[in-house]
Amino acid sequence: NAGVTQTPKFRVLKTGQSMTLLCAQDMNHEYMYWYRQDPGMGLRLIHYSVGEGTTAKGEVPDGYNVSRLKKQNFLLGLESAAPSQTSVYFCASSEDRGLRQPQHFGDGTRLSIL
Amino acid sequence: EDKVVQSPLSLVVHEGDTVTLNCSYEVTNFRSLLWYKQEKKAPTFLFMLTSSGIEKKSGRLSSILDKKELSSILNITATQTGDSAIYLCAVSGAGSYQLTFGKGTKLSVIP
Repeated sequence: NAGVTQTPKFRVLKTGQSMTLLCAQDMNHEYMYWYRQDPGMGLRLIHYSVGEGTTAKGEVPDGYNVSRLKKQNFLLGLESAAPSQTSVYFCASSEDRGLRQPQHFGDGTRLSIL
Repeated sequence: EDKVVQSPLSLVVHEGDTVTLNCSYEVTNFRSLLWYKQEKKAPTFLFMLTSSGIEKKSGRLSSILDKKELSSILNITATQTGDSAIYLCAVSGAGSYQLTFGKGTKLSVIP
């Protein structure tokens, strides 16, 4: 009964370091999304994918890259971390665009950039 | 650009009170409005409202969509401390893959 699983749950990085956040879903969903959540800002879409091998930019894509090599996994990369990327990152998946079925979220990754 | 505004941003009530949370939106070719509850971790889905389903109810929670006023309300009756959470509203438009979220309403229910 895993649903959407994000790893790691917490991470502290130094400015300039790189890292990859992993999102895995076991519901065979086509659509996957990466959001960031900052205090007072709500959830903002970083990148999304409409199927294996596809990615697209969301509202705040700068400084991030993504890959969807397998249907069940969606990776979010930070090539050179900046303090402005300190945030809580959520991955979500859905059966369709979210127009008829809701998006299901993981528990989040809390990332601090020093 | 799609826009969602939630009010109030925070609210403190006593157990047993009834609360109403508001969500207003601007979206091109509206398709759906969703409510999520977020406690410590993942947002969890509550309701989806569409043109063909403008009222939803589950236990003490209910929601109504007003397409004329471009808004929705989420009602919680007989509140409990377990209702303390951030309630998120999101909308989607036809042809878009994206949900646009509001900033959320933080509800605190005190005994």
